[in-house]
Amino acid sequence: SSELTQDPAVSVALGQTVRITCQGDALTFYYASWYQQKPGQAPVVVVYGKNNRPSGIPDRFSASSSGNTASLTITGAQAEDEADYYCNSRDRSGNHHVFGSGTTVTVL
Amino acid sequence: QVHLEEWGAGLLKPSETLALTCSVFGGSFTGYYWTWIRQPPGKGLEWIGDIVHSGETSYTPSLKSRVSMSVDTSKTQFSLRLNSVTAADTAVYYCARGVVSEMVRYFDSWGQGALVAVSS
Repeated sequence: SSELTQDPAVSVALGQTVRITCQGDALTFYYASWYQQKPGQAPVVVVYGKNNRPSGIPDRFSASSSGNTASLTITGAQAEDEADYYCNSRDRSGNHHVFGSGTTVTVL
Repeated sequence: QVHLEEWGAGLLKPSETLALTCSVFGGSFTGYYWTWIRQPPGKGLEWIGDIVHSGETSYTPSLKSRVSMSVDTSKTQFSLRLNSVTAADTAVYYCARGVVSEMVRYFDSWGQGALVAVSS
């Protein structure tokens, strides 16, 4: 089982806002990064750290954190945002990295 | 623009050794965490471990007894070996570049993935 827990699936109406959460004790001490993965493709980082987006990632993707929970928010979800999303951070020891269990986002 | 490409044997028998290499094209080879990540069919991502240009490694505890990584800076390549494979090791194996920025390490470039199947 993963040290980072995510809801298995969420759905959002086109143009609406959805928040994906990632829970784990290590998140009290470390920031997370978030990855989008579409079928048959390698993951792509969409947000990392406090709230940083790599070049080319739309500003509808944002991150936040509170206590042991990191969140990825998609504001104004688009059809192309339908994908699996994974969080990643250090584990409790701080010496290794671990991925969350993943959340499938469906855009209705 | 960095480009990563994995290659190695795609079909193994149980108890054999998985061996993959990742070639890094473009960009510097120093200052990054060269990382292996895998994904069993239909399942989530698993961080296997990483290596830096000096050869220092870090492995996930669940695989530590079977995994080893090496680096060849002259060829800008790094490699993964996983001993005594079983069907549970069947997965797409990704190599990725780990970058540290804003107090977090994240993976900014990924290979296309290499499917390794273990079957008798």
